[in-house]
Amino acid sequence: DIQMTQSPSSLSASVGDRVSITCRASQNIGSFLNWYQQKPGKAPKVLIFGASNLHSGVPSRFSGSGSGTDFALTISGLQSADFATYYCQQSYGAPPWTFGQGTKVVIK
Amino acid sequence: QVQLQESGPGLVKPSETLSLTCSVSGGSVSSNSHYWNWIRQSPGKGLEWIGYIDFEGGTNYSPSLRSRVSISLDTSKNQLSLSLTAVTAADTAVYYCTRAAATIRNYFDPWGPGTLVTVSS
Repeated sequence: DIQMTQSPSSLSASVGDRVSITCRASQNIGSFLNWYQQKPGKAPKVLIFGASNLHSGVPSRFSGSGSGTDFALTISGLQSADFATYYCQQSYGAPPWTFGQGTKVVIK
Repeated sequence: QVQLQESGPGLVKPSETLSLTCSVSGGSVSSNSHYWNWIRQSPGKGLEWIGYIDFEGGTNYSPSLRSRVSISLDTSKNQLSLSLTAVTAADTAVYYCTRAAATIRNYFDPWGPGTLVTVSS
């Protein structure tokens, strides 16, 4: 299975900050990398697909970058609605499709 | 738009079988464009993909669960189902059904709200 490792596991930030979360794959996955946001008690929602494509309806302050094994999710101008847990997920080739362990963004 | 809703017992005894149903509205499980997936999340932990079924009933399961899991479709009711046998406390989790495009570049969207299943005697 392809292992996905996110860092940091948690971070504290203030409204307006620029925040970046990284995700590393255990092998080359091209650009087959998706990002999700999950709020407490809710299902995850897709933010970014194909490493850098913004899903419909997602604010433009979210952006994704990277290819191969190293990826990043950046939030430019953190809003109160963005305090949540973020997960990366690889969709490279045949299953099993795997997730990172998550990064919790909390208010400083 | 497509909406998914999971349902089933919230409490299952150890060694018994966990059975859940996902009802789909606004779209068809007979669509040849999508995979219908189950994903779970143990309390305080991350997300684990369980498996999927396609419109022809073809399945693909996580190797770690393959010996115990089965996913099926009921096209007449527009539902998919999950069966997990011989459960233990480690199977306690929120179970989600979700859809993914049957293309080379896919992602999980939308998701049902999830249903918590606790394994306990």
